[in-house]
Amino acid sequence: GAVVSQHPSRVICKSGTSVKIECRSLDFQATTMFWYRQFPKQSLMLMATSNEGSKATYEQGVEKDKFLINHASLTLSTLTVTSAHPEDSSFYICSAPTSGSTYEQYFGPGTRLTVT
Amino acid sequence: KQEVTQIPAALSVPEGENLVLNCSFTDSAIYNLQWFRQDPGKGLTSLLLIQSSQREQTSGRLNASLDKSSGRSTLYIAASQPGDSATYLCAPGSYNTDKLIFGTGTRLQVFP
Repeated sequence: GAVVSQHPSRVICKSGTSVKIECRSLDFQATTMFWYRQFPKQSLMLMATSNEGSKATYEQGVEKDKFLINHASLTLSTLTVTSAHPEDSSFYICSAPTSGSTYEQYFGPGTRLTVT
Repeated sequence: KQEVTQIPAALSVPEGENLVLNCSFTDSAIYNLQWFRQDPGKGLTSLLLIQSSQREQTSGRLNASLDKSSGRSTLYIAASQPGDSATYLCAPGSYNTDKLIFGTGTRLQVFP
């Protein structure tokens, strides 16, 4: 199957700083990628849809100025958490769908963000 | 708005049992449905994908069925093993939005 990577896998940052998380599709191109966050023992919550070459689409209640998304190429989307606070600590996961009739989504391994 | 419910929320069974995990969704306008497995602190592993035109898919000891009109999918796990212990998530993909909306998950524990 297709492979999606994320970097870093874990990051600890101080309150007020910004953190960038990368999501890459390694063996296929993705014009669209999705960003999710997951709190402990909860399901995945869709944050935004990342669109190559255009602005991201954010879900209701997600602050677009806080969670900056850039989809600069067909294989890379980045999520930047700006001015991070402890409540932003979470598990962030990206996904990318393959093209064609199946439109199957593949997920990255996730990034654990801890804000101290 | 798509809402996805999974029952049971948690399940603890002895090794060897056959299991049924249920998923229901409110918007039947889907193009496919995926079942995933998530181990603690890890990402998602895709288990099965069923197209909206299909009734079921099988992979090894796993079988997933789909009844789109009634908004239901079922994941069968045959002869469960301790290595099957994980959280299982279903996610229908909606035609209207291209997004996957996740259920609340079933946390499975299989003990020896």
